[in-house]
Amino acid sequence: LAKTTQPISMDSYEGQEVNITCSHNNIATNDYITWYQQFPSQGPRFIIQGYKTKVTNEVASLFIPADRKSSTLSLPRVSLSDTAVYYCLVGPLGYSSASKIIFGSGTRLSIRP
Amino acid sequence: NAGVTQTPKFQVLKTGQSMTLQCAQDMNHNSMYWYRQDPGMGLRLIYYSASEGTTDKGEVPNGYNVSRLNKREFSLRLESAAPSQTSVYFCASSQVGESAGGYNEQFFGPGTRLTVL
Repeated sequence: LAKTTQPISMDSYEGQEVNITCSHNNIATNDYITWYQQFPSQGPRFIIQGYKTKVTNEVASLFIPADRKSSTLSLPRVSLSDTAVYYCLVGPLGYSSASKIIFGSGTRLSIRP
Repeated sequence: NAGVTQTPKFQVLKTGQSMTLQCAQDMNHNSMYWYRQDPGMGLRLIYYSASEGTTDKGEVPNGYNVSRLNKREFSLRLESAAPSQTSVYFCASSQVGESAGGYNEQFFGPGTRLTVL
């Protein structure tokens, strides 16, 4: 199983770029990296998913180095509404085995004015 | 298009009572999931269903049973509730496989807050 390690918490200010790094040293060849965002009292929401190099969508970018042992979620110009818990998941897209779905404890991001 | 719906939103049980948490999705997804989230913790997978009629144990299946009634519905049953099962329960669904276009995005419901006294 590809276990992930993230910082427990991070603080930043409105307008700043925030980078959250996830370590996954034993990632498998067929594993993808997925990030979710969770607000209090809500279910998680998908942010971005990637396999290698860089992926960008309208809300975030995901940077994955060549060895794929880590990944970085980049949130450009954060606002107060980005205060949430961010989870990094590593696993195969097919999820052929449920045991491969590991959410971990996440990173609690706090944005200040 | 409601996405993933869960009932009830809140429930209080006494130790030993049983109940079923209901989940339904209207996105025609093949895969459905049940998670629990304890205070201040991440989500832990209880059970997973890759398709109608199939279920698979996750990380913490003890004390729970599931039924994939049809493609839309996936229920979670607590036969004899215990205080250790006090948690928030989330249901999720996703489309897995080639038809997903290379992504596996899970869509989550609003959760059920369960307290077992």
